[in-house]
Amino acid sequence: DAGVIQSPRHEVTEMGQEVTLRCKPISGHDYLFWYRQTMMRGLELLIYFNNNVPIDDSGMPEDRFSAKMPNASFSTLKIQPSEPRDSAVYFCASTGWTSGGYEQFFGPGTRLTVL
Amino acid sequence: SQQGEEDPQALSIQEGENATMNCSYKTSINNLQWYRQNSGRGLVHLILIRSNEREKHSGRLRVTLDTSKKSSSLLITASRAADTASYFCATADNYGQNFVFGPGTRLSVLP
Repeated sequence: DAGVIQSPRHEVTEMGQEVTLRCKPISGHDYLFWYRQTMMRGLELLIYFNNNVPIDDSGMPEDRFSAKMPNASFSTLKIQPSEPRDSAVYFCASTGWTSGGYEQFFGPGTRLTVL
Repeated sequence: SQQGEEDPQALSIQEGENATMNCSYKTSINNLQWYRQNSGRGLVHLILIRSNEREKHSGRLRVTLDTSKKSSSLLITASRAADTASYFCATADNYGQNFVFGPGTRLSVLP
């Protein structure tokens, strides 16, 4: 398996523009998580899905953020309109059952810069 | 929601020395996982220890788990400069919910 795939790897946009981040989880994993990481706040959980259904979006900072998972192999995180304070690295992670229990694997992240 | 924190927040050692990092959590778990993150990179899964295990080894890594104290430790033996990174722990409950907590431990291994 190629692991968790995220695109784009880097995104530079101007304030007010719409940004869409994409994630392809590991095949067979039934949980998908979106995190955001900044120097100031560290790693924050934004939202997670179980079997494509959003379970907890309490970490989504505000209504400008939305996430979807239309099928088991694809998820998007959208920011509209984007603001400079949204600049961060956004990670997608998928979780699946192993002999040790649930195990989580992270994608390489998308580095977002909002000017 | 975050459960606890890793400590220390920063650790600086000489190459060849051992590094020990600790992690605490608050609720019951199914397993606990340790990750490494090199500067500017994603998180890499290092090791998983189940709640019914007390110790686990993987190469130069040794993880212990004390469920009575809700704590875990990660020991890196004979450290190398390449071990310089941030280390995070995360717990999983029986429903697959993983949360990474705390700011992690920033390890610097000096040559």
